[in-house]
Amino acid sequence: DSGVTQTPKHLITATGQRVTLRCSPRSGDLSVYWYQQSLDQGLQFLIQYYNGEERAKGNILERFSAQQFPDLHSELNLSSLELGDSALYFCASSVGDSVGYEQYFGPGTRLTVT
Amino acid sequence: AQTVTQSQPEMSVQEAETVTLSCTYDTSESDYYLFWYKQPPSRQMILVIRQEAYKQQNATENRFSVNFQKAAKSFSLKISDSQLGDAAMYFCAYRSPYTASKLTFGTGTRLQVTL
Repeated sequence: DSGVTQTPKHLITATGQRVTLRCSPRSGDLSVYWYQQSLDQGLQFLIQYYNGEERAKGNILERFSAQQFPDLHSELNLSSLELGDSALYFCASSVGDSVGYEQYFGPGTRLTVT
Repeated sequence: AQTVTQSQPEMSVQEAETVTLSCTYDTSESDYYLFWYKQPPSRQMILVIRQEAYKQQNATENRFSVNFQKAAKSFSLKISDSQLGDAAMYFCAYRSPYTASKLTFGTGTRLQVTL
């Protein structure tokens, strides 16, 4: 158990819908990262937050957005869902945002868009 | 942009034997970190081992060790005394100090362990 929690574990929804994935980082970790794992694209970095501020964006679609709240939990919002958005979404956290800090992964949320 | 290549989609090893998984990467940076992550059927991403580019000594964690060849941009993972629990997807990953510390992953190698 990494100490990072993600809810829900599974999510099934229809095309065009909107969903919110939630991540609670390890106690004391200020940085949160979101990754997408799909059959087509492999594991891809989406976005990073550090202490409430957006730090970096990767291959994140405009239909997707995220935020980190004052209690440091983070939410990833996916809207106008398409079949291709079906994937495993991971959240990872680290103490800081420099390269020396380990990233600890949560168990992931499996999203299925039908 | 950095890229990570794992050219072996699948590998197989007998229990108690040794197997080496390959990884190459492309970067123009001189300072970076490399990682091997294990993803078992549970889908949890588990850090196996890490290597700092400035360290010449190869990292070792129990039965797991790496062969880091900086000039060749090669970072292979050796698993000794393979166990059934080692069966998983293994991902090689690169992390730059200049790009917000995101991880760039390879496509993975599926390792089967047979009796």
